[in-house]
Amino acid sequence: EVQLLESGGGLIQPGRSLRLSCEASGFIFSSYAMSWVRQAPGKGLEWVSTVAASGTYTYYADSVKGRFTVSRDNSKNTLYLQMDRLRAEDTAVYYCAKYTGRGGFDSWGQGTLATVS
Amino acid sequence: QSALTQPPSASGSPGQSVTISCTGTSGDIGAYTYVTWYQQYPGKAPKLMIYDVNQRPSGVPDRFSGSKSGNTASLTVSGLQAEDEADYYCGSYAGGNNFVVFGGGTKLTVL
Repeated sequence: EVQLLESGGGLIQPGRSLRLSCEASGFIFSSYAMSWVRQAPGKGLEWVSTVAASGTYTYYADSVKGRFTVSRDNSKNTLYLQMDRLRAEDTAVYYCAKYTGRGGFDSWGQGTLATVS
Repeated sequence: QSALTQPPSASGSPGQSVTISCTGTSGDIGAYTYVTWYQQYPGKAPKLMIYDVNQRPSGVPDRFSGSKSGNTASLTVSGLQAEDEADYYCGSYAGGNNFVVFGGGTKLTVL
């Protein structure tokens, strides 16, 4: 069974940094691209970032480009999201998701809430 | 402002069918057969219900079906059940800088 467990969320002041982690189990982590998707309170889903299985290629939404950095450690089955220069509009539940490679996400973590205030 | 447009709400009585639309552009839904649908209960993570326009992951009831015509995708839920009451989001691969785009979500109410 695929399990994704996010951590690292919390209350942080604007302009500061936060690092989210996602521990994966139940599948061959190093074989799959992984993504972060966020959901602001009461709002819809927003794709944030995707990293290729090898970690070589990364993709970002325009709203976070230049401020967020996605990375992974395949030896630890862990995905990361380094969030710098945080803004109030970055407040959201951040989900770690396993990317299908065809625009979809077939497994999701429970999410971690980051509040910028 | 979400990239894909969904109606904010939809409803139907138990046993009925309901269809939720999702309108995009020639750069996302119209360009690829990579449309997805997710079900989300309050306070829970989304769950993949449909991928590749009309494919169901293992374990998703066949009451859920998807289709696409031009720049518009649709999710149909047949034989509505109480447990189908949830928020539904569409998504599409968009390539380039946008990568993946989502709709704003539709709240499905079972009357």
